[in-house]
Amino acid sequence: GAVVSQHPSRVICKSGTSVKIECRSLDFQATTMFWYRQFPKKSLMLMATSNEGSKATYEQGVEKDKFLINHASLTLSTLTVTSAHPEDSSFYICSAVQGASDYEQYFGPGTRLTVT
Amino acid sequence: AQSVSQHNHHVILSEAASLELGCNYSYGGTVNLFWYVQYPGQHLQLLLKYFSGDPLVKGIKGFEAEFIKSKFSFNLRKPSVQWSDTAEYFCAVKGYSGAGSYQLTFGKGTKLSVIP
Repeated sequence: GAVVSQHPSRVICKSGTSVKIECRSLDFQATTMFWYRQFPKKSLMLMATSNEGSKATYEQGVEKDKFLINHASLTLSTLTVTSAHPEDSSFYICSAVQGASDYEQYFGPGTRLTVT
Repeated sequence: AQSVSQHNHHVILSEAASLELGCNYSYGGTVNLFWYVQYPGQHLQLLLKYFSGDPLVKGIKGFEAEFIKSKFSFNLRKPSVQWSDTAEYFCAVKGYSGAGSYQLTFGKGTKLSVIP
């Protein structure tokens, strides 16, 4: 089956620094990748949709200058949290769609970000 | 805009009990419906999905769900739960977002605890 990995699985950083999270599709080419944020006891919130080779589409209320998304290849998308603050601490999950007509999203294991 | 409502935040059952988790959605157009499961410390996995055809969908691990269009519901069921079913369950709806993409909207999740 389709496998999506994320790196790192956990990261602790100091306030004001930037953190990069990688999302890779290991055995398929992902035309579209999604980035979600999961809050405790709440649902996954879609942050942005990224298509390979084009700019990401951000959801309303998500700061595109703070959460930089790059989808440079069909197997890799990165999310960079710039100038992180404690309120950015969260669980970030990516997913990937295989091909243009596949409606199933394959999820990565998530990255726990803690900003101190 | 589409939304998903899961009725129960936390369900506690004894082993062998029957399970039904409610899911209602609001969306006027054609939808694809999903149930995902997140076991402790693991990533989201697809349990089952409905695209079209038979409204009773069978998934992995003995789970099934019934799409009732008139009620905008997609409830998840299992006749006899096991301790290993302890996890968080998310209902999700995929419909046209109006922005040129098909967006997956999640419910807030239902935590299932199965007592041996």
